Amino acid sequence: SQQGEEDPQALSIQEGENATMNCSYKTSINNLQWYRQNSGRGLVHLILIRSNEREKHSGRLRVTLDTSKKSSSLLITASRAADTASYFCATTDGRSNDYKLSFGAGTTVTVRA
Amino acid sequence: DAGVIQSPRHEVTEMGQEVTLRCKPISGHNSLFWYRQTMMRGLELLIYFNNNVPIDDSGMPEDRFSAKMPNASFSTLKIQPSEPRDSAVYFCASRRTVSMNTEAFFGQGTRLTVV
Repeated sequence: SQQGEEDPQALSIQEGENATMNCSYKTSINNLQWYRQNSGRGLVHLILIRSNEREKHSGRLRVTLDTSKKSSSLLITASRAADTASYFCATTDGRSNDYKLSFGAGTTVTVRA
Repeated sequence: DAGVIQSPRHEVTEMGQEVTLRCKPISGHNSLFWYRQTMMRGLELLIYFNNNVPIDDSGMPEDRFSAKMPNASFSTLKIQPSEPRDSAVYFCASRRTVSMNTEAFFGQGTRLTVV
């Protein structure tokens, strides 16, 4: 079953603008991770935020986590054409020693030059 | 390290044929995952192994699907007999599970087309 659900499903922005996407999940988590998938390629890990963290930065990426609302957001600042990809959130269930990652449906981001 | 290696990259087969997908995880990673990706259903976890032992195969759609991990450096996903609805991209991923806070590394996927 898919734990995370991303919103919006698709996003089109101009180069230089910021892109924000959200993820909601259903159960308690150990951490939440964001991945990027370029067309025809495998997923690549971007950033991990632990359940006891509220915000994390990595380069032009900013992730927030609100465990009370069971939601996370990914912000990409000053977007570039190379950021065009699908973005997925993934969670690790916090209720058990279970290492499987459950992925949402993804947000497709198109950055227009 | 070369990353997670999957083969073949593309497979076209006729309905009813047996298909075997292969995966070599990153050395030292003790969890291995098989995912299937389609437009309709997104990324579905089929099965995952920890220390070569299948832990959760609840995502395996039918008895036609089977997966093995005979050792720490090799896994196969087999479909027999294959059907057109099995057409999808199949990803293998591996993860070091010294803690919950590790990332997964994905292979490039096998694009399977069953005609």
